[in-house]
Amino acid sequence: QQQVRQSPQSLTVWEGETAILNCSYEDSTFNYFPWYQQFPGEGPALLISIRSVSDKKEDGRFTIFFNKREKKLSLHITDSQPGDSATYFCAATYQGGRALIFGTGTTVSVSP
Amino acid sequence: EAAVTQSPRNKVTVTGGNVTLSCRQTNSHNYMYWYRQDTGHGLRLIHYSYGAGNLQIGDVPDGYKATRTTQEDFFLLLELASPSQTSLYFCASSAQDTQYFGPGTRLLVL
Repeated sequence: QQQVRQSPQSLTVWEGETAILNCSYEDSTFNYFPWYQQFPGEGPALLISIRSVSDKKEDGRFTIFFNKREKKLSLHITDSQPGDSATYFCAATYQGGRALIFGTGTTVSVSP
Repeated sequence: EAAVTQSPRNKVTVTGGNVTLSCRQTNSHNYMYWYRQDTGHGLRLIHYSYGAGNLQIGDVPDGYKATRTTQEDFFLLLELASPSQTSLYFCASSAQDTQYFGPGTRLLVL
């Protein structure tokens, strides 16, 4: 049973467009949600994260929108660049927990 | 300089073989993790540890053992490897929330 779900599985956008990646979760005790970015041949790296007390977190061109009631979040990549082409993982855990539960990932391709 | 290193980077073994994957971190982090990554499943936690001598069971532990010998070193052991364990394995370390991943080990079990 997948506790963290992501959609779409893959996404192609043109350079300059906004890519929207979706994530949902099952466990209402989850309160920390990081997004990891992974390039081919590399390990994942933290991109941006949000805690459940917030409904939005912004870092440059990357923004997380969080809806606690619906147990959903999304990652928006504005003004997408070819260098943003990667796989993005949504993850979740609860306060005090260290083990993350990852979604299945969304592969983003940005065409110039 | 890479703070989480893994060895070997690639490994081929046969069914029933004995495999040890190694991970070393120089972050001085207490927590270390082993994940496997498979298409359609994302990253799944096998085992993790919060210090030397400690071991915690993850979500997909069957067929795997792990040992944390020092704060820096965490090993994943496959004592009777099976083709279903063909995967990309990642080690990570953390102090608080952020996990830092190594470059991965690609394992093929024939």
